[in-house]
Amino acid sequence: EAQVTQNPRYLITVTGKKLTVTCSQNMNHEYMSWYRQDPGLGLRQIYYSMNVEVTDKGDVPEGYKVSRKEKRNFPLILESPSPNQTSLYFCASSFQGVGNQPQHFGDGTRLSIL
Amino acid sequence: AQSVTQPDIHITVSEGASLELRCNYSYGATPYLFWYVQSPGQGLQLLLKYFSGDTLVQGIKGFEAEFKRSQSSFDLRKPSVHWSDAAEYFCAVGASNYQLIWGAGTKLIIKP
Repeated sequence: EAQVTQNPRYLITVTGKKLTVTCSQNMNHEYMSWYRQDPGLGLRQIYYSMNVEVTDKGDVPEGYKVSRKEKRNFPLILESPSPNQTSLYFCASSFQGVGNQPQHFGDGTRLSIL
Repeated sequence: AQSVTQPDIHITVSEGASLELRCNYSYGATPYLFWYVQSPGQGLQLLLKYFSGDTLVQGIKGFEAEFKRSQSSFDLRKPSVHWSDAAEYFCAVGASNYQLIWGAGTKLIIKP
């Protein structure tokens, strides 16, 4: 089954404790992206990757890191989480880019930073 | 500046009634347009997309949308809603090959 898998689904942690949210897709997609969703703000893009070893900043990259060492995986790293990073996070992938192609989304990761 | 506006934060509709969710965009070129749906506790799923051609686009779950260039709109419609349609709906414009511009979403509430 084609899918995007995120882990964990839920996480409560404390300020400053490094965490990683994993994302994996099994569709051989070149494009992957991370979004955060906050009430009233819709989805805001954090980082995206057009292919292995190619990543770029989205609209809200501050406080986040990503890597793309393999085509299927695109982890999101919060080196020193802060409460303003409490949010619902989504990973998404598409075959090549997003301008004219649909994205497949994971089920989301709800992060609470205390 | 490029933007997508969904003017209704919430919409309440009776089960069996028709639905229209509005989406207006501001974009310089011919847009690629999307509607996604987010059911509670789940990720977003593509409902339909417009790239070119017929301005009335059919999607999954009985939804359709009409692209009106003169009004810069891409409104989503369904003739008769079901309780399972309760969700949040997002309109998006393909701004480039790398990014979409997203609306803030409209939460659909279904009255029994």
